[in-house]
Amino acid sequence: SQTIHQWPATLVQPVGSPLSLECTVEGTSNPNLYWYRQAAGRGLQLLFYSVGIGQISSEVPQNLSASRPQDRQFILSSKKLLLSDSGFYLCAWSVLWEDRGYEQYFGPGTRLTVT
Amino acid sequence: QKEVEQDPGPLSVPEGAIVSLNCTYSNSAFQYFMWYRQYSRKGPELLMYTYSSGNKEDGRFTAQVDKSSKYISLFIRDSQPSDSATYLCAMSEWSGNTPLVFGKGTRLSVIA
Repeated sequence: SQTIHQWPATLVQPVGSPLSLECTVEGTSNPNLYWYRQAAGRGLQLLFYSVGIGQISSEVPQNLSASRPQDRQFILSSKKLLLSDSGFYLCAWSVLWEDRGYEQYFGPGTRLTVT
Repeated sequence: QKEVEQDPGPLSVPEGAIVSLNCTYSNSAFQYFMWYRQYSRKGPELLMYTYSSGNKEDGRFTAQVDKSSKYISLFIRDSQPSDSATYLCAMSEWSGNTPLVFGKGTRLSVIA
């Protein structure tokens, strides 16, 4: 079965500090990978998605960046955090199954508080 | 007009009630429709998935898609306090490399 891991689960960082969030997927190959942010009381905002190693599409211009160094690894980074970067960060993967269609699954999330 | 509209609620119902959650959309090319359930401080969980028009039933949950009206629904029968969560609709033009478009979610509370 497929499993998606995210860490850390909770993070408190000062303004101006760097950020690195990691996501890994097990049990599937060549998945599409996504980073979302969910601010308190707001909907899901797609930040980045990747259809393959080294292929990153950015949806929102900001001080965040993403990388995909391996097939099942997706990293979200920032050189200097802003207060507005606080939120719940979710990694997701999607795949098209021949027998049951398109499915997208989310990881457990990382709650980031920038102080 | 936003691509996907979803009433944020909150929606409060007594235990045992039938719950109806809805989304409207503007892009007639959408053909994959999903419902996610998100408990507080957790990642969204895929609940139901429907391709094109029609109904799909899974236990107490029924998903309906009306492409002519650009309207999708999720019905929960015999609602339970454990159904209290935020429900997000999501849709896509086609399976592959197109990211899902999400509604903002409806917060549901089922009161015992």
